[in-house]
Amino acid sequence: ETGVTQSPTHLIKTRGQQVTLRCSSQSGHNTVSWYQQALGQGPQFIFQYYREEENGRGNFPPRFSGLQFPNYSSELNVNALELDDSALYLCASRSMADNTGELFFGEGSRLTVL
Amino acid sequence: AQKITQTQPGMFVQEKEAVTLDCTYDTSDPSYGLFWYKQPSSGEMIFLIYQGSYDQQNATEGRYSLNFQKARKSANLVISASQLGDSAMYFCAMREGMGGGFKTIFGAGTRLFVKA
Repeated sequence: ETGVTQSPTHLIKTRGQQVTLRCSSQSGHNTVSWYQQALGQGPQFIFQYYREEENGRGNFPPRFSGLQFPNYSSELNVNALELDDSALYLCASRSMADNTGELFFGEGSRLTVL
Repeated sequence: AQKITQTQPGMFVQEKEAVTLDCTYDTSDPSYGLFWYKQPSSGEMIFLIYQGSYDQQNATEGRYSLNFQKARKSANLVISASQLGDSAMYFCAMREGMGGGFKTIFGAGTRLFVKA
């Protein structure tokens, strides 16, 4: 069983640039959630995708956008990067058939904005 | 409004002793789930234990148990026989609702230090 994989693991961007982070969900999982975790804080929910549509969003501006593909993989796009966007971005997948809602996480993409 | 509250930024415990990490939550949804995750310095979130709002008994998973007090809206994690490898960040999380549209939110975390 393949777990959740994210790429890239680390990246450095400058303010104003755009970034795309990628996530492959665990085999059999059809729902993907993205979280932003600033240093020393808990993960903050960005949004969730199911069947290629966004079906839940946290308190993040529209410059945070995403996609889910037919194979359930997902992308997180952030435009007009700001210094405060520096964080660990976590992708988590789950199966809609699992009533507990347990999330399975990737190792994250650490973004530094200079 | 803060929905998951972890009031202990850091905790110390002696190896082989038990430790309790506190978590309180707030929701008006009758159907919800509570989780604890461990995050080592590597960054990956590791699932530890789950408690459903309708579960009558407290959840247990090996050395982990969840002290679920529904009326008090608390879901404390108890780690028995602490090991040096338990040193990590611990997050309490809550899933509200059922079906496809629910989301899971996390507390601010507690950093646990296990002393030899």
